[in-house]
Amino acid sequence: EVQLVESGGGLVKPGGSLRLSCAVSGFTVTNAWMTWVRQAPGKGLEWVGRIKSKSDGGTIDYAAPVKGRFTISGDDSKNTLYLQMNSLKTEDTGVYYCTTLASPAYFHRWGQGTLVTVSS
Amino acid sequence: QTVVTQEPSFSVSPGGTVTLTCGLSSGSVSPTYYPSWYQQTPGQSPRTLIYNTNTRSSGVPDRFSGSILGNKAALTITGAQADDESDYYCVLFMTSGIWVFGGGTKLTVL
Repeated sequence: EVQLVESGGGLVKPGGSLRLSCAVSGFTVTNAWMTWVRQAPGKGLEWVGRIKSKSDGGTIDYAAPVKGRFTISGDDSKNTLYLQMNSLKTEDTGVYYCTTLASPAYFHRWGQGTLVTVSS
Repeated sequence: QTVVTQEPSFSVSPGGTVTLTCGLSSGSVSPTYYPSWYQQTPGQSPRTLIYNTNTRSSGVPDRFSGSILGNKAALTITGAQADDESDYYCVLFMTSGIWVFGGGTKLTVL
């Protein structure tokens, strides 16, 4: 059974860093296309970034608001997807979901999300 | 900057039919944007309903259907039920390789 379980959220000060994890089961994380999607409190969904499978080159793309600050990576040995978030801003506050990406271009399976709060 | 538009709110009577739409601030939505739709209730993760314009995700009842209506993508719920009361989001895949979500529609069933 496919499962995605996020962790690593918490309270961090503006300018700080945090690393989110998405532990997956039922498939190998680097064999899949994966994304991160976030949701600010009381707001809509926002795409954060995508990593392609290793066999498709592992290319990573980011949304403009996080480009240069966030980094997506995958670890085979832990079967986990990561989102390294640096230079955090208050507007990065929200629930972060990892998802699988299926063809053509849709978010298939979702994790339960992890809450990130950026506040002084 | 591309903006994906959705009705902020909509209401439907139990048993009724409602069509939610997903448009572009500039231009028309076509199947090449691979429109998909997601349902979210408060405190829960989104659930995939429709992808590739009109393909239902596994386990989704056939009263949910997707289409292109005019210059927008559309999600139609036929025979609305109380537990359809949720937020609905569409998302479009841009030629630049990024995804843009609409602001969501809050559907009330009453």
